[in-house]
Amino acid sequence: SQKIEQNSEALNIQEGKTATLTCNYTNYSPAYLQWYRQDPGRGPVFLLLIRENEKEKRKERLKVTFDTTLKQSLFHITASQPADSATYLCALGRRAGNMLTFGGGTRLMVKP
Amino acid sequence: DADVTQTPRNRITKTGKRIMLECSQTKGHDRMYWYRQDPGLGLRLIYYSFDVKDINKGEISDGYSVSRQAQAKFSLSLESAIPNQTALYFCATSDSSGRDVIPDTQYFGPGTRLTVL
Repeated sequence: SQKIEQNSEALNIQEGKTATLTCNYTNYSPAYLQWYRQDPGRGPVFLLLIRENEKEKRKERLKVTFDTTLKQSLFHITASQPADSATYLCALGRRAGNMLTFGGGTRLMVKP
Repeated sequence: DADVTQTPRNRITKTGKRIMLECSQTKGHDRMYWYRQDPGLGLRLIYYSFDVKDINKGEISDGYSVSRQAQAKFSLSLESAIPNQTALYFCATSDSSGRDVIPDTQYFGPGTRLTVL
């Protein structure tokens, strides 16, 4: 069955360091992969999209890589700040339509 | 996102009661979705609709029904609520017209926290 795995344990890092979150998938051939941020008690907010033919995408302090051979995406936040503390969800999209399958999310805690 | 609103924001009900959760959007999007979120399980798709006359079951539709009353409105019903339907429910929208700057993006409402006793 299709499976998307994100580290369920919280990631704790020091302010200023680079945070790296992992999204692994099995039995899936995504056309694209998205990353969302979710704050407590709020809905997810879209951050970045990367398509299957792209290796890397950047947006300000954010960087996403997508390796379809390893079936893995890495999400990096450089120069992390306490305001980056949140849960980050990866989501995979199929070729037809706009169906997303979400991972369980990883909570990031950035300490000052 | 204020463009996608959900009512109520919180609801406590009893087993066997009928519950309706409502979602409205002002984004002009044609596609709407209902998800539930449980700790550690991420978001799971309940139902989705690609336009007013289109309703499709998602991963976990049993025990739920939906109605797309208009392009802007998509409601989720629990005909007879049970305790394992206690969860956080999210409505989301997306646009298939190509007008969105980044296509395939979904926009989420603030969520409804439902507790079934």
